[in-house]
Amino acid sequence: QVQLVESGGGLVKPGGSLRLSCAASGFILSDHYMGWIRQAPGKGLDWVAYINHGGSTTYYADSVKGRFTVSRDNRKKSLYLQLNRLTAEDTAVYYCARPLAISGYYCGFDSWGRGTLVTVSS
Amino acid sequence: EILMTQSPATLSVSPGERATLSCRASQSVSSNVAWYQQKPGQPPRLLIYGASTRATGIPARFSGSGSGTEFTLTISSLQSEDLAVYYCQQYNVWPPGFTFGPGTKVDIK
Repeated sequence: QVQLVESGGGLVKPGGSLRLSCAASGFILSDHYMGWIRQAPGKGLDWVAYINHGGSTTYYADSVKGRFTVSRDNRKKSLYLQLNRLTAEDTAVYYCARPLAISGYYCGFDSWGRGTLVTVSS
Repeated sequence: EILMTQSPATLSVSPGERATLSCRASQSVSSNVAWYQQKPGQPPRLLIYGASTRATGIPARFSGSGSGTEFTLTISSLQSEDLAVYYCQQYNVWPPGFTFGPGTKVDIK
């Protein structure tokens, strides 16, 4: 079955950096776009980034553009999110998610990991 | 940027009753809306896509409707396990991205 497992979260000081990883199994990663979505404690869902099959095209929310970088290594079956210049507003659980694609069109994220918590605090 | 709003913020429903959740887009998103259920301590689960198509394994008591700017998620006969927060999401306009609504919390009365 599809499994996504995030790792790399933790406590980091404002201005610091962190690299999150998402290990994918149960499907062929290179067949799918992939995304990152975050959720601040007690808050709603906030889309962060999206990457195409091969990693050549990426999309970012305005709030993270220029600070976060999404990448992937299909041979290692992994997705990554590099977080730089972190602020307290970036404190959240970060989920990686696989989209449902119908005839090549995005139709929502139908597989999610359990998330990894990033806490930005001095 | 498309904004998604949801109402009510909290909905209390007795088991067996119908629950109706609303979602509104700030501009037309056609039928490109998904609904998710998030139970405490769990990641979201896709319920509905294309405004009205149930995702794999989703019980028939969940149904979605709407197009343009007004969307509805209906739980026809609420079960205790349906206690959760429900989010709508538009994917008609991307990039820049996939906008989520703020969520509706469903309580069991």
